[in-house]
Amino acid sequence: QKEVEQDPGPLSVPEGAIVSLNCTYSNSAFQYFMWYRQYSRKGPELLMYTYSSGNKEDGRFTAQVDKSSKYISLFIRDSQPSDSATYLCAMRSQGGSEKLVFGKGMKLTVNP
Amino acid sequence: DGGITQSPKYLFRKEGQNVTLSCEQNLNHDAMYWYRQDPGQGLRLIYYSQIVNDFQKGDIAEGYSVSREKKESFPLTVTSAQKNPTAFYLCASSIGGTGGFGYTFGSGTRLTVV
Repeated sequence: QKEVEQDPGPLSVPEGAIVSLNCTYSNSAFQYFMWYRQYSRKGPELLMYTYSSGNKEDGRFTAQVDKSSKYISLFIRDSQPSDSATYLCAMRSQGGSEKLVFGKGMKLTVNP
Repeated sequence: DGGITQSPKYLFRKEGQNVTLSCEQNLNHDAMYWYRQDPGQGLRLIYYSQIVNDFQKGDIAEGYSVSREKKESFPLTVTSAQKNPTAFYLCASSIGGTGGFGYTFGSGTRLTVV
């Protein structure tokens, strides 16, 4: 079983839709959870960062962590064509190195 | 502006040739990483370094080499021993230690074997 599983999609939605992206993980030691957005032919950029369980909201984006289910989600409200990108989840345990474990990434297309 | 600079953006390699990808950061980050990205395979860790003059192999280090002589620089050499080097290469850095807030990535180098 891989440490982090992410459905690679692709996912195509109409503009204005609510998008839900998800990852599951197997390592109960993971405490830091991140979502990166990567536009085509660019490097990933950090979108959301959450420590331990709970929700975090930033504008149209909400990150959720359910440690009991080992499941994290990213919600995008009122999706825009500019949200079209690949979204990668990433996580790491507390202590030790900062080495992240990444999901494979989900390619999202928002159609105008 | 602080950030990570990768060069060149595009690189072409002939069979049997070694090539070096540059990665420079001015974020004063201690840790640096090299990833390879292939379609459908996500990010795979090649090498990482937590401090100057020290580095560790990642999951796919065979055919690659690195050095970390300066805090700001972490060049990656793709050797002729790497049989399938065509990929998108990403360099990243992080603050280091037990804290930190994830990685800052460069804009990548696309390497193609010709």
